[in-house]
Amino acid sequence: DAGITQSPRYKITETGRQVTLMCHQTWSHSYMFWYRQDLGHGLRLIYYSAAADITDKGEVPDGYVVSRSKTENFPLTLESATRSQTSVYFCASSVNFRGAREKLFFGSGTQLSVL
Amino acid sequence: GQSLEQPSEVTAVEGAIVQINCTYQTSGFYGLSWYQQHDGGAPTFLSYNALDGLEETGRFSSFLSRSDSYGYLLLQELQMKDSASYFCAVKEGAYGGATNKLIFGTGTLLAVQP
Repeated sequence: DAGITQSPRYKITETGRQVTLMCHQTWSHSYMFWYRQDLGHGLRLIYYSAAADITDKGEVPDGYVVSRSKTENFPLTLESATRSQTSVYFCASSVNFRGAREKLFFGSGTQLSVL
Repeated sequence: GQSLEQPSEVTAVEGAIVQINCTYQTSGFYGLSWYQQHDGGAPTFLSYNALDGLEETGRFSSFLSRSDSYGYLLLQELQMKDSASYFCAVKEGAYGGATNKLIFGTGTLLAVQP
């Protein structure tokens, strides 16, 4: 039971480079989310997806691109990385997130450093 | 705009009771959740309140007052392993909607001392 996995676990890149963070879940959950976590800001929602081919912006979407061609994958791309995007990125999923008690399951996170 | 406020840090001793408060200001409120995160780990779900009142799950309880836009997490019989960050989160959107999303507060770091 792999659950939800993120890769890579750690990534170092340079400003201006394109970076893609991968997220894969084996539960066939409909909803998937990308959050970034920074000291003093908690978890901030970047993008989310209600189903394959349905995505929407969260609180801090600028500089990021997502796609959801398959239910199980939800990659996050930084088109041109900036130092302000240095952060820990968490992917999460939920069965359908429409019911009253749906909860999020989080991956282990990707620690990204932009030099 | 959206905002969730929590104390940044709380300290308590083993065996004690601690309450972590959360006040929120959001649109389309649908429920209040609590998540726990140990240092270096992923957040994990603790509890959820959609209606006013108290929800109890073992040593943890969560309370919601929608009229006051306020909730709290109550941890009883504190153990050293409870040292972690605790986040409240508001579910926004409408029941059955495709725009449901979870907005988190900035978190409360709980330090349990022996």
